[in-house]
Amino acid sequence: NAGVTQTPKFQVLKTGQSMTLQCAQDMNHNSMYWYRQDPGMGLRLIYYSASEGTTDKGEVPNGYNVSRLNKREFSLRLESAAPSQTSVYFCASIQGWAETQYFGPGTRLLVL
Amino acid sequence: GENVEQHPSTLSVQEGDSAVIKCTYSDSASNYFPWYKQELGKRPQLIIDIRSNVGEKKDQRIAVTLNKTAKHFSLHITETQPEDSAVYFCAAKGTGFQKLVFGTGTRLLVSP
Repeated sequence: NAGVTQTPKFQVLKTGQSMTLQCAQDMNHNSMYWYRQDPGMGLRLIYYSASEGTTDKGEVPNGYNVSRLNKREFSLRLESAAPSQTSVYFCASIQGWAETQYFGPGTRLLVL
Repeated sequence: GENVEQHPSTLSVQEGDSAVIKCTYSDSASNYFPWYKQELGKRPQLIIDIRSNVGEKKDQRIAVTLNKTAKHFSLHITETQPEDSAVYFCAAKGTGFQKLVFGTGTRLLVSP
């Protein structure tokens, strides 16, 4: 049982490049989330998926798209990366109406 | 929507002292308040949580108190140890499906 996994762990992009961050969970959780973490700003919600087949915007969705591929996987895509998207990205999941969110190990992204 | 403020942003204590971190929230309908600990380079991990029908909860050296009238909640760590050094985040579950709003974090440094 790996919990929540994320790939890659670290990535460097040039401005304008695109990439997809992958997240998977093996806990049969219904809801999944993408956060970004910046110094002094805590964790901010980018997008979330309440259940397979649904996605909704969070607090800071601009510049991102998501896909809930199946119950296990929730990907985050940057179509045209900008330096302002330099951050640490965390995926999280939660079981049904339970309240504890489990976080992945994070992806550190640097956009030059 | 929900807004969570957290203070202080940094807190330095001597080993054995107590540490208190405070958070306020804006949505009176919020009903779930977790605290996460994040060690350097690691993922946030839940350390304690409290629901709106409870005023206080303890787990060994950690306690959380909730004042619904004033809309604030606090994390108390007693007999601090160097391994308590980390960033601590409070959060509140506001209205809407399973969405947590996080505070900006408190960096706790426990000196031997």
